[in-house]
Amino acid sequence: AQSVAQPEDQVNVAEGNPLTVKCTYSVSGNPYLFWYVQYPNRGLQFLLKYITGDNLVKGSYGFEAEFNKSQTSFHLKKPSALVSDSALYFCATEDPYNQGGKLIFGQGTELSVKP
Amino acid sequence: ETGVTQTPRHLVMGMTNKKSLKCEQHLGHNAMYWYKQSAKKPLELMFVYSLEERVENNSVPSRFSPECPNSSHLFLHLHTLQPEDSALYLCASSQTDGTGDYEQYFGPGTRLTVT
Repeated sequence: AQSVAQPEDQVNVAEGNPLTVKCTYSVSGNPYLFWYVQYPNRGLQFLLKYITGDNLVKGSYGFEAEFNKSQTSFHLKKPSALVSDSALYFCATEDPYNQGGKLIFGQGTELSVKP
Repeated sequence: ETGVTQTPRHLVMGMTNKKSLKCEQHLGHNAMYWYKQSAKKPLELMFVYSLEERVENNSVPSRFSPECPNSSHLFLHLHTLQPEDSALYLCASSQTDGTGDYEQYFGPGTRLTVT
């Protein structure tokens, strides 16, 4: 069965420092991987996705993610964190054979960026 | 704004009430979804509609009844709910082509409290 795991419930970073939010996956076949962000009292917003091609994927708001097949990871990164990046981040995988689409989410990581 | 709207944003209902949640997408997508987001739990997929037909029902109790009258609208009818059903209910839509290469767009959610 397809799954993703986010090993950290919370990540704390100082503003201006680089940030990493971790995600590992377990999928059969080629993985389809996504990152979403959820700000307080809002729905999820799509950040970026990896389907195929370059291992480094660039997305919205200066975020990027690196697909690492040998480590089965898809960590989200940003070179310089902003206080406004504080939110809940979800890694997800897609079952490409499921009619109508099906996203399987990790449990989420709360990112806190302090001034 | 993501192009997916949900009403109401907040709902308080007693266990004997009947209410409905509404979702509308303005993106021309062909698939719509209901998710449940509870505190400290991963997002749970409840229902998937593709081309207005239900393609997945993840063992959701019958007190939740979805309806998809057309590709732009999705409802979740609620009756005789339990306090543990209190959660954020998220609607999403996507344009699926069977490849898995698509992202879902989420509405802001309905915060449901069952008393």
